[in-house]
Amino acid sequence: DIVMTQSPFSLPVTPGEPASISCRSSQSLLDSNGNNYLDWYLQKPGQSPQLLIYLSSNRASGVPDRFSGSGSGTDFTLKISRVEAEDVGVYYCMQALQLPLAFGGGTKVEIK
Amino acid sequence: QVQLQQSGPGLVKPSQTLSLTCVISGDSVSGNSAAWTWIRQSPSRGLEWLGRTYYRSKWYSDYAVSVKSRISINPDTSKNQFSLQLDAVTPEDTAVYYCARWAHEERHFDHWGQGTLVTVSS
Repeated sequence: DIVMTQSPFSLPVTPGEPASISCRSSQSLLDSNGNNYLDWYLQKPGQSPQLLIYLSSNRASGVPDRFSGSGSGTDFTLKISRVEAEDVGVYYCMQALQLPLAFGGGTKVEIK
Repeated sequence: QVQLQQSGPGLVKPSQTLSLTCVISGDSVSGNSAAWTWIRQSPSRGLEWLGRTYYRSKWYSDYAVSVKSRISINPDTSKNQFSLQLDAVTPEDTAVYYCARWAHEERHFDHWGQGTLVTVSS
């Protein structure tokens, strides 16, 4: 099974400043078709997770362009160019390459 | 717009069966572009994929090894919904349970239910 590891565990941020979250997989998520099967989700307080990024770098519909995803193989990054108050919550990466699907442990983003 | 509405009891006794239902609107449980999935979340296990069902000329199901002997995910085409049954529950099965739509081609969860907290306790 693929294991997903995120860092940091907690990320205090100042509004308007950038933020970056790292995700590492125990096996490469690069498929033979050239796609990296890595998703990012945000779980806002009291809500269900919501899709932010899929295929490593594709923003989901309605996601602001301050969110960007990058990476390939086993190392991936989610960046927020300028954090806003509404971005607080727990961010999860998830490998979508093979079953069982697996999530990282989460990164809690909070406002300083 | 796809919406998923969950229902089911919030309290289950140990050794009994946990049963939840997810009603789909805006899509079909028999559609060939999605898989219908159950995920749970607990402080000790984080977000855990439990299993899915989907239709591709016939019905398929996949389950996590950790629950494979106890789980069943079934579609109900007449009501456009799918269900989760988890047998012989223990307190370790206490979690928030989510149903979700898996977009098969792009491989992501694009719609989630509201979540149901299920507590296993006598």
